Amino acid sequence: GAVVSQHPSWVICKSGTSVKIECRSLDFQATTMFWYRQFPKQSLMLMATSNEGSKATYEQGVEKDKFLINHASLTLSTLTVTSAHPEDSSFYICSARDGTGGEQYFGPGTRLTVT
Amino acid sequence: GENVEQHPSTLSVQEGDSAVIKCTYSDSASNYFPWYKQELGKRPQLIIDIRSNVGEKKDQRIAVTLNKTAKHFSLHITETQPEDSAVYFCAAKLGLAGGTSYGKLTFGQGTILTVHP
Repeated sequence: GAVVSQHPSWVICKSGTSVKIECRSLDFQATTMFWYRQFPKQSLMLMATSNEGSKATYEQGVEKDKFLINHASLTLSTLTVTSAHPEDSSFYICSARDGTGGEQYFGPGTRLTVT
Repeated sequence: GENVEQHPSTLSVQEGDSAVIKCTYSDSASNYFPWYKQELGKRPQLIIDIRSNVGEKKDQRIAVTLNKTAKHFSLHITETQPEDSAVYFCAAKLGLAGGTSYGKLTFGQGTILTVHP
């Protein structure tokens, strides 16, 4: 089946620094990738949708200048949390979808802790 | 946009009993309804899905039903086992009629299922 990886699996950073999270589709080309955030005991909330070679579409309430998304190739999307604060601490999960518009395949998630 | 409501938020059953989780959605442009199982700290795993042109789908102990008119769909787990304990999420995906939101997946709030041995 389709495999999506994320790196790192967990990261601890200091307040005010930036963190980059990578999402890769390993065995298929992902024309669209999605970034979700999940706080403890809550559901997955879509942050943004990125299509290869174009600007990401952000959900209402998500600051595009704080959460920078780059989808430079059909197998890689990155999310950079800039000037991270403790309230950004969360579980960030990406998913990838191939061009057929079907199932989304989820990455294993990245646990971000901002101290 | 799409709104998905999921109930109950917690569900506790005895091993061998059945469990039912219900979801409603708001946007008639949604045409794909997956169910995910998520264990603590891990990614959501697709366990079953149903498309809007089908009313029911079954896979061993798991079944999903869809009522398009009422805009609700349900997950049924029979003969529950302790390893079924996890958080379950329903979701709805917008089809082409969703315009610029095509393909967007909206999740329900989740149900914590506990199966007691």
